[in-house]
Amino acid sequence: RKEVEQDPGPFNVPEGATVAFNCTYSNSASQSFFWYRQDCRKEPKLLMSVYSSGNEDGRFTAQLNRASQYISLLIRDSKLSDSATYLCVVRGSNYKLTFGKGTLLTVNP
Amino acid sequence: ETGVTQSPTHLIKTRGQQVTLRCSSQSGHNTVSWYQQALGQGPQFIFQYYREEENGRGNFPPRFSGLQFPNYSSELNVNALELDDSALYLCASSRRQGAGTEAFFGQGTRLTVV
Repeated sequence: RKEVEQDPGPFNVPEGATVAFNCTYSNSASQSFFWYRQDCRKEPKLLMSVYSSGNEDGRFTAQLNRASQYISLLIRDSKLSDSATYLCVVRGSNYKLTFGKGTLLTVNP
Repeated sequence: ETGVTQSPTHLIKTRGQQVTLRCSSQSGHNTVSWYQQALGQGPQFIFQYYREEENGRGNFPPRFSGLQFPNYSSELNVNALELDDSALYLCASSRRQGAGTEAFFGQGTRLTVV
């Protein structure tokens, strides 16, 4: 089993749609959880951290279920500029980041 | 801008050669990690340096080695290059201040081995 698994995608959605990304992780000792965004041929950039209580940043909502070892990201009212690859990332006590393969999102006009 | 800079941005090498990639970490950051990202994959952890010592290593052979300098900048060295080493190499710097510490990535070095 891979350490971090994401929906394979790709996702193609119209502007204004709501899209959800799902991710599971295998190491129950994982300590921190993130969603990163990566534009084509660029470096990953932190989109948001994910907390057990759930957290929201504008149109973006992240959820963490430690019991199920499941992480999600919801994007509401998709914009063209949201087109990117979304990476689910987990960090252990040694500060190593473990990335999922990423899910490509294309928002169409 | 993240304040993390990598050089060079692009590089073409021949199989069997050696390569050194460089990373300047963000001011105040004492931890540098290196990742390899093959096309269509997520970044894979190579190793991490904390205060000039290797502090964790992923599933990469010994021909991948590194250094961290007193100013916390870092080098990644790869010997005996293979075609499969072609990838985007990313450096990330962070400050050890709890589990929520953010890692900032440089723009990467795109290595092509021919």
